[in-house]
Amino acid sequence: ELKVEQNPLFLSMQEGKNYTIYCNYSTTSDRLYWYRQDPGKSLESLFVLLSNGAVKQEGRLMASLDTKARLSTLHITAAVHDLSATYFCAVDPDSGGGADGLTFGKGTHLIIQP
Amino acid sequence: NAGVTQTPKFRVLKTGQSMTLLCAQDMNHEYMYWYRQDPGMGLRLIHYSVGEGTTAKGEVPDGYNVSRLKKQNFLLGLESAAPSQTSVYFCASRRTLIGPQHFGDGTRLSIL
Repeated sequence: ELKVEQNPLFLSMQEGKNYTIYCNYSTTSDRLYWYRQDPGKSLESLFVLLSNGAVKQEGRLMASLDTKARLSTLHITAAVHDLSATYFCAVDPDSGGGADGLTFGKGTHLIIQP
Repeated sequence: NAGVTQTPKFRVLKTGQSMTLLCAQDMNHEYMYWYRQDPGMGLRLIHYSVGEGTTAKGEVPDGYNVSRLKKQNFLLGLESAAPSQTSVYFCASRRTLIGPQHFGDGTRLSIL
C-alpha cells in the first residue's frame, strides 16, 4: 500500500524567509504532483514531476523529485502572504499505471505572516 | 470552458436518506475520480472510472456507489447516509495518465 508523508503539517513563517516542504512516499513512482488549496476552495495544480531529477519553478515556488530517495521537495523563496494556503503532494503509484487515482499526503498548512 | 462542475455545492441530509452527487466535465477526459476530504486526512479515493461504462473501487468505497453512463458524467450515490460520511467530496478528471487531475469545486455534505 502506497503511503505519502508530508512534513511539516503546519508551518508558520515570516514574509521574506525561505523554507522547504518535504514529501516522502513508500513505493516506486516517477509521477508526483503538487497542488495548492485555499480555504473552502478546490485544488489547483501547481507542478507535475514525471522523472527522476525533475525540477519545476513557478515564481517563488520550486519543486523537485528524487525517485531513488522517493522524495519530493517544494521550496519557497522569499515568502509572501499570498502564498498562504495548504499544499498537497500526490503520487501515482507505478503499479496502477496512473489509472487508479492519486494517493495524497495529508497536506502542509502554510501561514505566512507579515 | 467550465472544466469540472459538481452539483450540488452544499447539502444537509438526515441519517438513512439517500442522494446522488453529480460530476460533469466538458474536457472530453477519459478518467474520472471521486475523493473525500476530511480534516487532517488529505484526500482519499472513493471510486474511479477509466472510461464510459466502467467503474472501480478506490481506497474507501464502502457505503458509496457510482455510475458512468456517459463519458462526461460521473455520479456518486449514497444509498443510506451515515454521519461518518459527513465530508467534502471532490470530483476530478484527467486526460492522460501522466497529466494532472483537474478538480471541481467540491460538495460539502453534512449528515445529521
